[in-house]
Amino acid sequence: EAGVTQFPSHSVIEKGQTVTLRCDPISGHDNLYWYRRVMGKEIKFLLHFVKESKQDESGMPNNRFLAERTGGTYSTLKVQPAELEDSGVYFCASSQGRGLIEKLFFGSGTQLSVL
Amino acid sequence: AQKITQTQPGMFVQEKEAVTLDCTYDTSDPSYGLFWYKQPSSGEMIFLIYQGSYDQQNATEGRYSLNFQKARKSANLVISASQLGDSAMYFCAMSSWYSSASKIIFGSGTRLSIRP
Repeated sequence: EAGVTQFPSHSVIEKGQTVTLRCDPISGHDNLYWYRRVMGKEIKFLLHFVKESKQDESGMPNNRFLAERTGGTYSTLKVQPAELEDSGVYFCASSQGRGLIEKLFFGSGTQLSVL
Repeated sequence: AQKITQTQPGMFVQEKEAVTLDCTYDTSDPSYGLFWYKQPSSGEMIFLIYQGSYDQQNATEGRYSLNFQKARKSANLVISASQLGDSAMYFCAMSSWYSSASKIIFGSGTRLSIRP
């Protein structure tokens, strides 16, 4: 069974450009999460999809970030325009259930560097 | 506010020794879950172990055990008989049902290095 896959693994862009990150969750997982880790700091929640609906987007830093989940399958996270402080590792995770035991399956992350 | 604190940014341990990674948490919710994840150099986050706040016994998964001390709000990860492959970043995390079932908050991580 394929795990959570993220593309690209690395992205280097200049300030002001646009970048789109993609996440393919495990097949059948309704829950999809985006997290971000800025260098040396804790991993922070960005948002949560249940199927195609945004369940919780309270962690999105500002309106330069736009997340979508087409048809409840893969998800994209677009940053437009990118700023220096957006640099970090963006993780995607998926899970099957809605219970308290949210065993999240993570992707390998996308390392974003904004120059 | 909920918070996870990992006070050890890095640790060095001799192979085959046991190691304890510290984690303290703060929450006012009565029902919550505690997790540990491992992040090897390849980048992915690997689920290791889970402890529910109402669980009477400490969770164990193979060489991993969670030393849960509810009154002290600590959830330390114990790795017995460490191996070279245990070298990685380790993150403690918490989910709280009443605050939000959809969020898991993470600590800043501990980098564990196993010496041969």
